[in-house]
Amino acid sequence: AQSVTQPDIHITVSEGASLELRCNYSYGATPYLFWYVQSPGQGLQLLLKYFSGDTLVQGIKGFEAEFKRSQSSFNLRKPSVHWSDAAEYFCAVGADNTDKLIFGTGTRLQVFP
Amino acid sequence: SAVISQKPSRDICQRGTSLTIQCQVDSQVTMMFWYRQQPGQSLTLIATANQGSEATYESGFVIDKFPISRPNLTFSTLTVSNMSPEDSSIYLCSVGRGNYEQYFGPGTRLTVT
Repeated sequence: AQSVTQPDIHITVSEGASLELRCNYSYGATPYLFWYVQSPGQGLQLLLKYFSGDTLVQGIKGFEAEFKRSQSSFNLRKPSVHWSDAAEYFCAVGADNTDKLIFGTGTRLQVFP
Repeated sequence: SAVISQKPSRDICQRGTSLTIQCQVDSQVTMMFWYRQQPGQSLTLIATANQGSEATYESGFVIDKFPISRPNLTFSTLTVSNMSPEDSSIYLCSVGRGNYEQYFGPGTRLTVT
């Protein structure tokens, strides 16, 4: 069965610093991968997705993610973090032969001025 | 994407009562999902609610506790029945847009006293 691992529970960065949030998945074929962001008191917003093609995908709010099959990873990056990026970030993978998503446990991002 | 609203946005309820949460979408969708997010946790899928069929519940969730209605392609309700403090969570609805892509409502924050 597929699974998603987000190794970092909590990350703290300074405003303006670069960011990388890690996501590892287990899946045999090419997965459908997603990153969502949840700001405090809000629902989840889709940042970006990967289905096939170019392994570097661009998303909203200046985020990008790179699919690396050899490492079973789909890490989220941003070159310069803004204070408004402080939120919970969830990686998800489509569950094979269903319409469902499997979510990671999330990474809480804290941004210091 | 889709614009999704939920009512109520938050509620405080007494033990033993029931609460019905509404989810309204601005366009017709076949697939809708209901999730629970316990404090500080990731998302747990409660059930899939496709229009024209009975809701499909995940392991650990039963229809008597979480009855779902899906009367048309833009609306669904989730009822949390006979509530206990353990039901205190954020409840989220989402819609499926194919290829596992989901869009989420803002959530309903439920506190049971």
